[in-house]
Amino acid sequence: DIQMTQSPSSLSASVGDRITITCRASQGITNDLGWYQQKPGKVPKRLIYAASSLQSGVPSRFSGSGSGTEFTLTISSLQPEDFATYYCLLHDSHLFTFGGGTKVEIK
Amino acid sequence: ELKLVESGGGLVQPGGSLRLSCADSGFILGRYAMSWVRQAPGKGPEWVSGISASGDTTHYADSVRGRFTISRDNSKNTLYLQMNSLRAEDTAVYYCAHIIVLVAADYWGQGTQVTVSA
Repeated sequence: DIQMTQSPSSLSASVGDRITITCRASQGITNDLGWYQQKPGKVPKRLIYAASSLQSGVPSRFSGSGSGTEFTLTISSLQPEDFATYYCLLHDSHLFTFGGGTKVEIK
Repeated sequence: ELKLVESGGGLVQPGGSLRLSCADSGFILGRYAMSWVRQAPGKGPEWVSGISASGDTTHYADSVRGRFTISRDNSKNTLYLQMNSLRAEDTAVYYCAHIIVLVAADYWGQGTQVTVSA
């Protein structure tokens, strides 16, 4: 099975900052990867699908990129509502693997 | 659009069984491959099991293989998860979801709590 390593596990940032979260796969994958945002007590919400496609209704400050073994989620200008935990999700063959999560906190 | 509602969660003793259900009030569940995803307290989501739209193909995470069984009844627009030999580490909120990451469609239910404790 492919392993996903997400980093960092947490970060502190200020409103307006640009932040990047990375997921690395243990072997090369296609673009079968998504990014989710989760706030406490809420259902995960997908931001990005197919590695770089923005989900409908998601602000354009969110973007995804990458290929092969390294994928990134970038928030270009952090807003107060963006403080949350973010997860990548890999779909490989018929199995799904979530990354370990990145908690984005207010500095 | 899928409109998913889970039920069947509750408190069960270690070694016990529960059957979760996930109903789609949009009546289109049969079109979609579906998954069960769980989230333990303070932890990230974990994919548990998946099933093809027709129900003829199923897959499981290593952590539940041999104990959990996923199934569906498309005539009833319902997805199931039979959970046997439950352990404390199975305690989590269980979500049914359509989470194919190559396409825009992404649907989750609100979850049902499963607590395994003596």
